[in-house]
Amino acid sequence: NAGVTQTPKFRILKIGQSMTLQCTQDMNHNYMYWYRQDPGMGLKLIYYSVGAGITDKGEVPNGYNVSRSTTEDFPLRLELAAPSQTSVYFCASSYSYAGQLYEQYFGPGTRLTVT
Amino acid sequence: RKEVEQDPGPFNVPEGATVAFNCTYSNSASQSFFWYRQDCRKEPKLLMSVYSSGNEDGRFTAQLNRASQYISLLIRDSKLSDSATYLCVVSKAGKLIFGQGTTLQVKP
Repeated sequence: NAGVTQTPKFRILKIGQSMTLQCTQDMNHNYMYWYRQDPGMGLKLIYYSVGAGITDKGEVPNGYNVSRSTTEDFPLRLELAAPSQTSVYFCASSYSYAGQLYEQYFGPGTRLTVT
Repeated sequence: RKEVEQDPGPFNVPEGATVAFNCTYSNSASQSFFWYRQDCRKEPKLLMSVYSSGNEDGRFTAQLNRASQYISLLIRDSKLSDSATYLCVVSKAGKLIFGQGTTLQVKP
């Protein structure tokens, strides 16, 4: 049982390049999330999904896009990378049933540098 | 007012000490509460869920006070390995809201 996996672990992008951060979970969780965490700061929610085909913005969605075509996968797309997007990106998943939201499980993170 | 507030610390304590963290939340409708632990440059990991009746897991005790809208975490007999950032987490509208974290440093 791998839990939440993310690829790549590290990446350096040049300004203006694009890339996709991959996230997969094998726990059959309906909810998935993308966060970013800047050095010494807390987690900020970028996008989340409550199920396949449904996505919604978090508090810092600008410059990012997501899709959720399957329960397992929730890729995050960066278009036109900017230095302000240098951060650690965490994907997470959780289960929700009858209005109760259960704990989130996190992937190991992707460390992205934009120069 | 932030949705979830924590004292960032750092809390510097000697090994063996007892230390307590508090966290306040603004949404009275929140139903799920957790404490997570985050080590430097690693992903957050669930430490424990917090139940209305309070719960204990070894040296860790979590309490929930709905009337005052705060959650606490008590760590007894602190170990060097307890040094980390502790995140208070509260549910709101289908999302989990993470506090900024409280940093604990346990010294020999």
